Amino acid sequence: GAVVSQHPSRVICKSGTSVKIECRSLDFQATTMFWYRQFPKQSLMLMATSNEGSKATYEQGVEKDKFLINHASLTLSTLTVTSAHPEDSSFYICSAATLKETQYFGPGTRLLVL
Amino acid sequence: AQTVTQSQPEMSVQEAETVTLSCTYDTSESDYYLFWYKQPPSRQMILVIRQEAYKQQNATENRFSVNFQKAAKSFSLKISDSQLGDAAMYFCAYRTSLSGNTPLVFGKGTRLSVIA
Repeated sequence: GAVVSQHPSRVICKSGTSVKIECRSLDFQATTMFWYRQFPKQSLMLMATSNEGSKATYEQGVEKDKFLINHASLTLSTLTVTSAHPEDSSFYICSAATLKETQYFGPGTRLLVL
Repeated sequence: AQTVTQSQPEMSVQEAETVTLSCTYDTSESDYYLFWYKQPPSRQMILVIRQEAYKQQNATENRFSVNFQKAAKSFSLKISDSQLGDAAMYFCAYRTSLSGNTPLVFGKGTRLSVIA
């Protein structure tokens, strides 16, 4: 099946710094990528939908200036958490999709902001 | 807005036994798709099974099957011959279109424990 990678798998940063998370579709071209956030023992919450070459669509309550999403190519989307604070600590998951039926999930990135 | 409800935060099953996880959803759409995802401790999301709403036949994948009741907006997952590796969080999910570029709406999940 299709493979989606995320890098880094985990990151620890100081409060106030920015962190970039990459999501790559390794063996297919993804027209759309989704970014989810998952708090411990909770479900996945959609943050934004990213289409290649256009601006991301953010869900209500998600600060677009805080969570910058760039979908530069059909195989790469990045999420940058700007001026990270401890409350941004979470598990971030991306999924990549084609126009066909299935979304493929990345393995996730654990972010800890000290 | 579509919502997905999983009313069982935790379930347990004896190894080799059968367990059913519940899921209900709310939508005004007539055509949509339903999914069950498994999230093991690694936290990698794994697609377990998928059901197209226009299909009356319940989907099956080896030991996993669903009971899809469209009128009742119910979509339960049955795991037969449970194995230790089935222990995980299970999420029910909904999507309005089979096209991959529409987002999934997830339920809150059910944590399944398998007892040896």
